[in-house]
Amino acid sequence: DVKVTQSSRYLVKRTGEKVFLECVQDMDHENMFWYRQDPGLGLRLIYFSYDVKMKEKGDIPEGYSVSREKKERFSLILESASTNQTSMYLCASSPTGGSPLHFGNGTRLTVT
Amino acid sequence: SQQGEEDPQALSIQEGENATMNCSYKTSINNLQWYRQNSGRGLVHLILIRSNEREKHSGRLRVTLDTSKKSSSLLITASRAADTASYFCATVYTGGFKTIFGAGTRLFVKA
Repeated sequence: DVKVTQSSRYLVKRTGEKVFLECVQDMDHENMFWYRQDPGLGLRLIYFSYDVKMKEKGDIPEGYSVSREKKERFSLILESASTNQTSMYLCASSPTGGSPLHFGNGTRLTVT
Repeated sequence: SQQGEEDPQALSIQEGENATMNCSYKTSINNLQWYRQNSGRGLVHLILIRSNEREKHSGRLRVTLDTSKKSSSLLITASRAADTASYFCATVYTGGFKTIFGAGTRLFVKA
């Protein structure tokens, strides 16, 4: 079974801090995704990557960056955390474009 | 935004009843997927229907796709309390790579 692991379930950070959210998948999937989920808004795509060192902006990339140095790991970086980035962050992977996504359990980030 | 829309936003039914959720989207798609999310957890893929398919079944789940109306529906038959969750449709647009999610339907099944 595919496993997507997000390093933290809950995280509390202060405004202005640099925040790293880590995601690791164990099935050699080509594609990895970062979404944020907010009540009433569903999941919104922040960034995705279809190969090592490749990245593409999603629908809401502002305030975020990503890093994919190894195939199994996809990191989301909040350069300077703000309170409006308080949210649930979900990482996902898939073997090919358009195939079903496998999700981690999410990281609930609170920025105070 | 390419995000699709789902209705209803919330649905409350009795155990044993059927639950129907609808999803609409905006442009031509490669496929449409349905996911389930239990409270506070990640999403789990349920079923995928391709743009050239009209109906698909998986256990108690039935998905239909009407590309002329750009809509899909998910039917859960003989619902159980354990079906209580949020359900999301997601689309992969033709020529695209991204998987775009709707806002979801919250289903509550009363025992």
